[in-house]
Amino acid sequence: GENVEQHPSTLSVQEGDSAVIKCTYSDSASNYFPWYKQELGKRPQLIIDIRSNVGEKKDQRIAVTLNKTAKHFSLHITETQPEDSAVYFCAASTAGANNLFFGTGTRLTVIP
Amino acid sequence: DSGVTQTPKHLITATGQRVTLRCSPRSGDLSVYWYQQSLDQGLQFLIQYYNGEERAKGNILERFSAQQFPDLHSELNLSSLELGDSALYFCASSKITGSHTEAFFGQGTRLTVV
Repeated sequence: GENVEQHPSTLSVQEGDSAVIKCTYSDSASNYFPWYKQELGKRPQLIIDIRSNVGEKKDQRIAVTLNKTAKHFSLHITETQPEDSAVYFCAASTAGANNLFFGTGTRLTVIP
Repeated sequence: DSGVTQTPKHLITATGQRVTLRCSPRSGDLSVYWYQQSLDQGLQFLIQYYNGEERAKGNILERFSAQQFPDLHSELNLSSLELGDSALYFCASSKITGSHTEAFFGQGTRLTVV
């Protein structure tokens, strides 16, 4: 089955700086890569996703990049704000299998 | 509100007992996933059902079982509970569209085993 690894497990940045979280996956058939944000005590919520036919996708301060050859994808948050503090999970999914395999999560702390 | 409903929100029970967690997926979603999240841990995939049939199994203990009913709601049964089973249990549902699987999570059931 798919194995998703995520790094780093914790990340602290100063407000206004950028944050980058990286994930690798093992199954070359995976073609959908969502990112979820989980605030303390709340449910994970989808913040951005990318499909394998696209190399990069942006949504305001958030961007995701995908390198299919290397089987890794990354989340980039620019101009970080305190409300960005949360746990971020990457995931990979294979069409047809209809499963979502999550990384272990990154706890991001934005220091005011 | 994601549209996925989980009950109960909190559950406290003793070791050795059995509990049932319930999940109602979003309207039209055929796929239901169950995840376990222990304190400060990631999301551990337990099991997935699609339109009433088991589709995939993750790290689910033999003491745990699940099913999805004709109305598409799902139940996760946890038996012979141990202290280590204390965790937040999430249900997620998805609507299979094209080549991706976007999942929406319920608010979770916090299980405390004492």
